[in-house]
Amino acid sequence: DIQMTQSPSSLSASVGDRVTITCRSSQTIGNYLNWYQQKPGKAPQLLIYGVSFLYDGVPSRFSGSGSGTHFMLTISSLQPEDFATYYCQQTYDSPRTFGQGTKVDIK
Amino acid sequence: EVQLVESGGGLVRPGESLRLSCVASGFSFSNFEMNWVRQPPGKGLEWISYISYSSNTIYYADSVEGRFVTTRDNAKDSLYLQMDNLRAEDTAIYYCAKRSAPGTPYHFDYWGQGTLVTVSS
Repeated sequence: DIQMTQSPSSLSASVGDRVTITCRSSQTIGNYLNWYQQKPGKAPQLLIYGVSFLYDGVPSRFSGSGSGTHFMLTISSLQPEDFATYYCQQTYDSPRTFGQGTKVDIK
Repeated sequence: EVQLVESGGGLVRPGESLRLSCVASGFSFSNFEMNWVRQPPGKGLEWISYISYSSNTIYYADSVEGRFVTTRDNAKDSLYLQMDNLRAEDTAIYYCAKRSAPGTPYHFDYWGQGTLVTVSS
């Protein structure tokens, strides 16, 4: 199975901060890397797919980058509604594994 | 509007069974692959099963292989998860998730609201 490792596991940030979350895969996964946002008590929601494609309706302050085994989610200017947990996922192979999550909370 | 609505969760004892349902609307269900993902309370996401549009191909995570069975009824726009021999570690919110359209990088573009399964004596 392909292992997905996110860092950090949690971070504290302020509104307006630039935030970067890293996701590493245990083997190369091409462009089969997605990012989801989950707020407490809610289902995950797609943010970015195929490494860098912004999903419909997602604000442009979110961006994705990376290649090979190293990927990043960047929030250019953190907004109050962005405090949530973020998960990366590989869909290169089955099982479609997720990272362990990164919780972003208010400093 | 795409909607996925899960149901069937509840409290069961270890060793018992439960059947979850996911009813789809707002898209042509029979043309899309579907998945089940679960999330134990306070923990991360775990993909557990995939089914192709025609049910010809079905995959399971090792953690549920041999105990869970995924099926679909395209005439009823419905996805099912039959869970047998349930264990305490199966306690989780269970989500159904729709795969993106073919030809796009593979992702889960819509998720249901989830249904909670609690396995406890």
